[in-house]
Amino acid sequence: DGGITQSPKYLFRKEGQNVTLSCEQNLNHDAMYWYRQDPGQGLRLIYYSQIVNDFQKGDIAEGYSVSREKKESFPLTVTSAQKNPTAFYLCASRSLDSGANVLTFGAGSRLTVL
Amino acid sequence: AQSVTQLDSQVPVFEEAPVELRCNYSSSVSVYLFWYVQYPNQGLQLLLKYLSGSTLVKGINGFEAEFNKSQTSFHLRKPSVHISDTAEYFCAVSASNTGNQFYFGTGTSLTVIP
Repeated sequence: DGGITQSPKYLFRKEGQNVTLSCEQNLNHDAMYWYRQDPGQGLRLIYYSQIVNDFQKGDIAEGYSVSREKKESFPLTVTSAQKNPTAFYLCASRSLDSGANVLTFGAGSRLTVL
Repeated sequence: AQSVTQLDSQVPVFEEAPVELRCNYSSSVSVYLFWYVQYPNQGLQLLLKYLSGSTLVKGINGFEAEFNKSQTSFHLRKPSVHISDTAEYFCAVSASNTGNQFYFGTGTSLTVIP
């Protein structure tokens, strides 16, 4: 079945450490996104990519980095510069074909900084 | 940028009663509207979408929503809720004048009381 796989599901990190969250999709979607979810704040866009080797900052990119070396993969690194990294992180993707304007989400990764 | 307002952060309702979850968005020339559902510690699943055509849209699990352009609203309704409908519901909008980026509301937590 086609879908988006995020790993790990749960992750604990000490302050000052970088951590990378994996996102892989087999939907042949062009665009991929990373959102951060905090209670009562909905989803906020961190980074997005519409094509391999290209990505753009979203609303809250500070302290995060991404890469898009393959169409299927869009890993997110939470760096030590991110002041409050504890959150639920969601990866999403969509086709850029006209009429296919629907976001598909992964199951999420919960990061806790100790 | 678009903005999406979900006025009700929490909605308790008794089992088998009807429910309406409200969503308003900032105006735009052409918008696409979505409702997603999120169960605890999971990603978002698409409930229904409005892209064009009939303003009454039917989705999964017996939900429906009506697009009202004059009131810039896209309220979600279900005539009779079940315990399994307890979840977080997010309204989202995508518009051509903002590069088809998705903007999410802050969510409504629906609790079905037995």
